[in-house]
Amino acid sequence: KQEVTQIPAALSVPEGENLVLNCSFTDSAIYNLQWFRQDPGKGLTSLLLIQSSQREQTSGRLNASLDKSSGRSTLYIAASQPGDSATYLCAVTVDGANNLFFGTGTRLTVIP
Amino acid sequence: ETGVTQTPRHLVMGMTNKKSLKCEQHLGHNAMYWYKQSAKKPLELMFVYNFKEQTENNSVPSRFSPECPNSSHLFLHLHTLQPEDSALYLCASSQARLALTYNEQFFGPGTRLTVL
Repeated sequence: KQEVTQIPAALSVPEGENLVLNCSFTDSAIYNLQWFRQDPGKGLTSLLLIQSSQREQTSGRLNASLDKSSGRSTLYIAASQPGDSATYLCAVTVDGANNLFFGTGTRLTVIP
Repeated sequence: ETGVTQTPRHLVMGMTNKKSLKCEQHLGHNAMYWYKQSAKKPLELMFVYNFKEQTENNSVPSRFSPECPNSSHLFLHLHTLQPEDSALYLCASSQARLALTYNEQFFGPGTRLTVL
């Protein structure tokens, strides 16, 4: 069974810092990997989707990388802002299914 | 209303109560999903419906009973729940999976359920 792990579980940084969130998965036979953001009391918002054939995706200050063979992905956030404070979730799909396997998330706090 | 909506947003119920959670999507999708998010646990897929037909039941106890009357609406009927069923229940929708492609899922805000 696919297991997804996210480290650290929580992270606090001062505003303006660059930071990296980590995600690892046990079965490298993934179809794609997705990073989500979850705000308290709100649903999940998709940030970046990386197909298994891709190495990275970028959107604004966010950059996600994927190393499928080693079972790892990172989410890089540049010049962090207080509005980036949220829980960040990593999820993978496996070949042949549309089901998402989620990690437990990293709760990010950006201090003004 | 746009996107995926869920009602109620918060629900407190006793173990002997019967209640229902409602999800509605306004995105023209034809696949809908129920997820459970417990404290300090990963989001778990519960049920999947494609074109109103249930295509996945992830070993969910029978005290949770889903219903999908049409492609826009999804319900989760609850009865004789346990305190450990307290969690955030999230609904999602996507285009149905017709080929070997992943169709992005869009999530609702969730219903925070507390079972006393």
